[in-house]
Amino acid sequence: DSGVTQTPKHLITATGQRVTLRCSPRSGDLSVYWYQQSLDQGLQFLIQYYNGEERAKGNILERFSAQQFPDLHSELNLSSLELGDSALYFCASSVMSQYNEQFFGPGTRLTVL
Amino acid sequence: GQQLNQSPQSMFIQEGEDVSMNCTSSSIFNTWLWYKQEPGEGPVLLIALYKAGELTSNGRLTAQFGITRKDSFLNISASIPSDVGIYFCAGQSNFGNEKLTFGTGTRLTIIP
Repeated sequence: DSGVTQTPKHLITATGQRVTLRCSPRSGDLSVYWYQQSLDQGLQFLIQYYNGEERAKGNILERFSAQQFPDLHSELNLSSLELGDSALYFCASSVMSQYNEQFFGPGTRLTVL
Repeated sequence: GQQLNQSPQSMFIQEGEDVSMNCTSSSIFNTWLWYKQEPGEGPVLLIALYKAGELTSNGRLTAQFGITRKDSFLNISASIPSDVGIYFCAGQSNFGNEKLTFGTGTRLTIIP
């Protein structure tokens, strides 16, 4: 158990809908990262938050957004969902130091029908 | 998005054999991490490497940070059934750019 929790475990929804994925980092970790894992693209970095502020952005679609709350949990919002958004979404957290090991949660499997 | 080149793509070995896999990049990384992922689970951190040339072990696992900083290697000795899974390398540029760039993965299967 990495100490990173994600909910829900599975999500099935229809095209055009909006969903919210939730992540709680390990105790003491200030930085949260979101990654998408699909069969054709592998594991891809989406976005990073540090202590409530956006720190880095990867290949995140404009339909996707995220935020980190004062209690350090984070939410990833996916809107106007398309079939191609079906994937595993992982959250990772780290303490943010010179030795910045990232620990991953169990993921949310999103299926868009 | 960018992915690091990882080889082999898959391995079929017998229990007790040693395993070697590697990861190469066109750009330099200051940190290399190796993860293992099992079906339906998130990646689990196995080994972290922070210095070029560094050799680090974690039980039967040994990983090396390539001297050029563009590659890394993972060895598993005396494989056991629970080693089955997909192994990913990941590179991280530096403090200030903490995102991980992942390899394409090596799927390890152990033949009974």
